[in-house]
Amino acid sequence: EPEVTQTPSHQVTQMGQEVILRCVPISNHLYFYWYRQILGQKVEFLVSFYNNEISEKSEIFDDQFSVERPDGSNFTLKIRSTKLEDSAMYFCASTKEGGLGETQYFGPGTRLLVL
Amino acid sequence: GNSVTQMEGPVTLSEEAFLTINCTYTATGYPSLFWYVQYPGEGLQLLLKATKADDKGSNKGFEATYRKETTSFHLEKGSVQVSDSAVYFCALSGASSGYSTLTFGKGTMLLVSP
Repeated sequence: EPEVTQTPSHQVTQMGQEVILRCVPISNHLYFYWYRQILGQKVEFLVSFYNNEISEKSEIFDDQFSVERPDGSNFTLKIRSTKLEDSAMYFCASTKEGGLGETQYFGPGTRLLVL
Repeated sequence: GNSVTQMEGPVTLSEEAFLTINCTYTATGYPSLFWYVQYPGEGLQLLLKATKADDKGSNKGFEATYRKETTSFHLEKGSVQVSDSAVYFCALSGASSGYSTLTFGKGTMLLVSP
C-alpha cells in the first residue's frame, strides 16, 4: 500500500539554525499538508499546498516557515531560524483531491529538537 | 473558531472490556468527522470517519456515530485487545475555516492490559 514517508525521523539543531524537513507524499496525490504536535499538546495545522502554491496557512506559519515542492516527489518544510519553541513532532500529509471529507494520509513524523 | 474536545487520558482497560472515548466539537457549517489512531513509533492512521449527520463510521470493531444534535462523535469498541493500545485523535474538517484542513483534539491514550 502506498504511504507517505518523512526524513529524517529525528533532528537535533541549535537555536538560530535552518532546518529542512522532507516528505514524499503518495505519488498520485495533489494536496499536501504540514502539521505539528508540541509535546503534550494538540496536533496543529501549519500549511496546505496545491498546484505549487500555498492554499491555506495558519497563524503559526509565519515568515520563518516556507514550503516547497522542489521536484515531482518531494515536499519540504523549511524553518529559517529555529527557536526553542519550534521543538515538536512535524507530520506531513497528502490527499488525492483535497475534497470535503477526504482522508488525509500521514507520514510517521519528524521529531525536531531545538537546543 | 473550530475546536475538538476529547476526554483526558490515559484510559486503562483490561482486555475484552468495553471502550468509550468521548469527543465533542464546535464548528460552523457541516464538518466531516474523523478518528485517527497513532500506534507507538508510527504516524497517524485513519481509523474511521463520517461525513454527515447520523452517519456511522466503523472499522476493526470500532464505531462512532455523527450526532449533530449533541455535536459529538464518540468512539466505541465492544471488546478491546492489547493491540488496541495507542493514542486516539478525534478531528474535523470542512468547517468554515479550512475546507480540507484538519482540526484535532488533544488525543486520548488507551492502555489495554492482558
